[in-house]
Amino acid sequence: DAGVTQSPTHLIKTRGQQVTLRCSPKSGHDTVSWYQQALGQGPQFIFQYYEEEERQRGNFPDRFSGHQFPNYSSELNVNALLLGDSALYLCASKGREVSYNEQFFGPGTRLTVL
Amino acid sequence: AQSVSQHNHHVILSEAASLELGCNYSYGGTVNLFWYVQYPGQHLQLLLKYFSGDPLVKGIKGFEAEFIKSKFSFNLRKPSVQWSDTAEYFCAVNRDTGRRALTFGSGTRLQVQP
Repeated sequence: DAGVTQSPTHLIKTRGQQVTLRCSPKSGHDTVSWYQQALGQGPQFIFQYYEEEERQRGNFPDRFSGHQFPNYSSELNVNALLLGDSALYLCASKGREVSYNEQFFGPGTRLTVL
Repeated sequence: AQSVSQHNHHVILSEAASLELGCNYSYGGTVNLFWYVQYPGQHLQLLLKYFSGDPLVKGIKGFEAEFIKSKFSFNLRKPSVQWSDTAEYFCAVNRDTGRRALTFGSGTRLQVQP
């Protein structure tokens, strides 16, 4: 049973560019959340998707957008990249049982903006 | 908005020493509490979780945590640490309603010296 997978592993972009990160949830999970983890900090919630809609959003600008596909996989898009967007981007998935709030994390995508 | 505080940013211990990492949260309602660990080069893994019931919860690798509601605390403990416990530890909380996002603390870097 594969866990949460993310691609790519590493990415280098320059300021102003756009980036797309991808996530496949753990088998049987339908909810995907994205987090940004800056160096030396804890993960910060970006947004959450289920039923192909954004359901919750953290304190991130509109440059951060996402999508969830019918197979529950998800993409995170960041436009007009800034140096401060350099971070580890984590995807987490959760099962259908709403009362069971444990989230499983993927290995992350390390984004470097030059 | 809820927040999580981890007061110990960097802890250095010798093997066999006892460990206690502090975690305090601010939210007046019912919460779910988690400790995650991030070993060097690996993804976030769940150590233990508290949803309800016995406030003393036991997790993997000999870790335990105690939920003290009156103090809004969920401290992590281990009686005797090993070199392999060297990692970053994150406390996280989410509200006990629906598919709530996790709010993380800033993390504690534990270094265990052989």
